[in-house]
Amino acid sequence: AQKVTQAQTEISVVEKEDVTLDCVYETRDTTYYLFWYKQPPSGELVFLIRRNSFDEQNEISGRYSWNFQKSTSSFNFTITASQVVDSAVYFCALSDSGTYKYIFGTGTRLKVLA
Amino acid sequence: DAGVIQSPRHEVTEMGQEVTLRCKPISGHNSLFWYRQTMMRGLELLIYFNNNVPIDDSGMPEDRFSAKMPNASFSTLKIQPSEPRDSAVYFCASSFPWTGPSGNTIYFGEGSWLTVV
Repeated sequence: AQKVTQAQTEISVVEKEDVTLDCVYETRDTTYYLFWYKQPPSGELVFLIRRNSFDEQNEISGRYSWNFQKSTSSFNFTITASQVVDSAVYFCALSDSGTYKYIFGTGTRLKVLA
Repeated sequence: DAGVIQSPRHEVTEMGQEVTLRCKPISGHNSLFWYRQTMMRGLELLIYFNNNVPIDDSGMPEDRFSAKMPNASFSTLKIQPSEPRDSAVYFCASSFPWTGPSGNTIYFGEGSWLTVV
């Protein structure tokens, strides 16, 4: 069965600290996609990244980076030098190839304190 | 480029009233989704349309909920009659053809925050 686990319910950091949000997934498919979305206090869901199961290269986008490790079924998200504007709930999601259904994690609430 | 547009952003209504939520997907996207978000259940897929045709409505909670997509640029989610337990954030989302190279990535609207009192 498919499953996405975000064990960290809430994380608080002080501005400029680095923070890593964990995501562990389960699937029996060999082809699948992983996603991260951000939900700021204003409520919208913002797409951050998509990664397919055949591409284990880490990705960096500004202060954001993602570490995909199939060996541990993890797709972790690191924010470097966090800022108050990074405060949001972050969701990890999984989609098996050929299905339109996303399996969302329960989200991690990140609070960045000034 | 315009994203997924939803209206209204906020709706407060009395129990028993009809509620209609509206959505305009991103131009060129032919897959449309309605999701509901609550604290208890997280994000749930209610219904999925492909090329304006409902493909999967298994997530629609009950007959009080209905969704339509009369054309490629407009969809509605209707609740009639509404109940307090319908209070939630309803997201519309869209994507390119699911099996295409840019598929699989869903772009969400800003959500419609519904409160039924």
